[in-house]
Amino acid sequence: QQQVRQSPQSLTVWEGETAILNCSYEDSTFNYFPWYQQFPGEGPALLISIRSVSDKKEDGRFTIFFNKREKKLSLHITDSQPGDSATYFCAARGGWAGGLSGKLTFGEGTQVTVIS
Amino acid sequence: EAAVTQSPRNKVAVTGGKVTLSCNQTNNHNNMYWYRQDTGHGLRLIHYSYGAGSTEKGDIPDGYKASRPSQENFSLILELATPSQTSVYFCASGELGGRDTQYFGPGTRLLVL
Repeated sequence: QQQVRQSPQSLTVWEGETAILNCSYEDSTFNYFPWYQQFPGEGPALLISIRSVSDKKEDGRFTIFFNKREKKLSLHITDSQPGDSATYFCAARGGWAGGLSGKLTFGEGTQVTVIS
Repeated sequence: EAAVTQSPRNKVAVTGGKVTLSCNQTNNHNNMYWYRQDTGHGLRLIHYSYGAGSTEKGDIPDGYKASRPSQENFSLILELATPSQTSVYFCASGELGGRDTQYFGPGTRLLVL
């Protein structure tokens, strides 16, 4: 079963708007949540990450909001730019096995298109 | 900058044939991973390794083998390729602690006819 879920599947925003990507998870042992950005024809690359001890992480125009009680998090992209057009993956890691191996569980991805 | 390379970048194979996908990293990371990416499924872990000589099953290991002959190299082997294994395969190397991230290669697009 899919332990990490993302919504929406795709999202189109105008340049300058805020894009909001959602992610939820089932495993309560997950304690580290990276978001990866992938451009067509390339491998994913780490964009921003958060640990479960925090409820917010900001890096420039990218912010993660984390709600541990509801097992939900979201990625906000403010002042969206055409260069932000990419697929974004939410991932999670935790538990004994995850902490030792670094194993990540990925969501299905959200494809973001920014129109100028 | 971390570097992970994969070969070949594109591969066409026949059903029942043997396919070997190769990955090389110059990051000196202990951990390496093989994923496949399919629409609607995101990235799914096939095999991973803690270091030279070690291979571990990931979430979808059936039909795949892995080999880690050295710190730098990690191969994914399809002994009897099937059309259901048509996908894009990504290799990654990773470090725990520090920046705590996985660095991905550019991917191999495999088509099994």
